[in-house]
Order: sequence, then C-alpha cells, then structure tokens
Amino acid sequence: EAGVAQSPRYKIIEKRQSVAFWCNPISGHATLYWYQQILGQGPKLLIQFQNNGVVDDSQLPKDRFSAERLKGVDSTLKIQPAKLEDSAVYLCASSLEGERGQPQHFGDGTRLSIL
Amino acid sequence: GDSVTQMEGPVTLSEEAFLTINCTYTATGYPSLFWYVQYPGEGLQLLLKATKADDKGSNKGFEATYRKETTSFHLEKGSVQVSDSAVYFCASSGGGADGLTFGKGTHLIIQP
Repeated sequence: EAGVAQSPRYKIIEKRQSVAFWCNPISGHATLYWYQQILGQGPKLLIQFQNNGVVDDSQLPKDRFSAERLKGVDSTLKIQPAKLEDSAVYLCASSLEGERGQPQHFGDGTRLSIL
Repeated sequence: GDSVTQMEGPVTLSEEAFLTINCTYTATGYPSLFWYVQYPGEGLQLLLKATKADDKGSNKGFEATYRKETTSFHLEKGSVQVSDSAVYFCASSGGGADGLTFGKGTHLIIQP
C-alpha cells in the first residue's frame, strides 16, 4: 500500500512570499489532516477534511493560511504572505472514516524555512 | 481544550534497561490514546493505541495502559535496544476521526 505522499520535501522562501504544499493521501482514505510541527514541539492540527468538506479549521490562521481538497482526494495548503514564525514542518495525514480510534498515517512532511 | 503532557527529554538509557515515558492527558469525554514514534530521518509512525479505559496497547515490546482514574497512558518497555532510539509522541483524539492533540515529544537515546 502506497503511503501518504507530500511535496516538496524542503522549501526556503523569504518572508512575505507565498508558498504551497501538496498532499496525496492513501487511496480510499476519506479523512485528510494538515498539521504544523514547530521545532521541539509536537504537531498541531491546522485543518481536517472529510472527503472535500472542512470538518475542523479552528486552529488555521485564516488571514494567511488556506487549504483545499477539491475532488476529495489530494489537497493543497497555502501560506500567503509567509511570516518568520511559519518556519516549521508541515505534515499531511490521512485515515479511514468513522471508526473510533482509527489511526492516522503520516507523510514525511515539507520542511519550510522562512528567511 | 484538550492537552497532552509528556516527560521532557532527552532520556538516555543503557541497552537492556527498563523504559518508562510518562504521559497524562486532559480531555472532555473519553478520548482514544496513541503513541507515535519518529525514527531518525523518518516520518511519524503509529506505535500503539488504546480506545477505552483499561485497554492495553502493545507493539514491538512496548506497552501502554489507558488509565482513566489517573488520566495517564505511560509507555513502557522491559528491555530497550539501540534501535529504539527515536522521538516518542503521546497523542489523544476526541473520537471518531477527530484530529490528534500531541504532546511535545520525548527524545530517547539508547547507548550500547
């Protein structure tokens, strides 16, 4: 079974520029998550999709972050404009829907550095 | 909101030592609990889970028991190996397909 695919692996941009990350979940996984992991901390949920609908975006900084999952499969996360504090690893995860305790499967992440 | 607290690292042990990494949680309701592991240069992987009180999750010699009375999910292993060196994250989930709330992670270093 192919895992969660993310690209790019690394990205370096200057502050105030924009950047986009891409994620392709495991085939058949209806639920998709984006997390932000700042160095030395655990991942923090940014947004959760169920198919192509948003379930939870309460921790997404909506003034600069946006995400979409138009066809209920792959997803993009965008930052515009980027700030220094956005330097982090952005993780995508997916899971099957419904069952309590369903594990999430993580991609390798995109490491973003803001100069 | 929900939160997860785990012991700060790094934790350094000798090979074959006994391991405990403490984890406590605060949550409304009855969350599912997880331990994830991140080996050097790799992504996050599920290590074990428990979905209700008194459940014991186990995998690769690691165990953790869901203790509702102490709101804890401590990770244990009887005899660690150098290959267990990694960062370990405790996490909780409210239920269904909810997002995870993670602890800060514990860096474990096993010396030969």
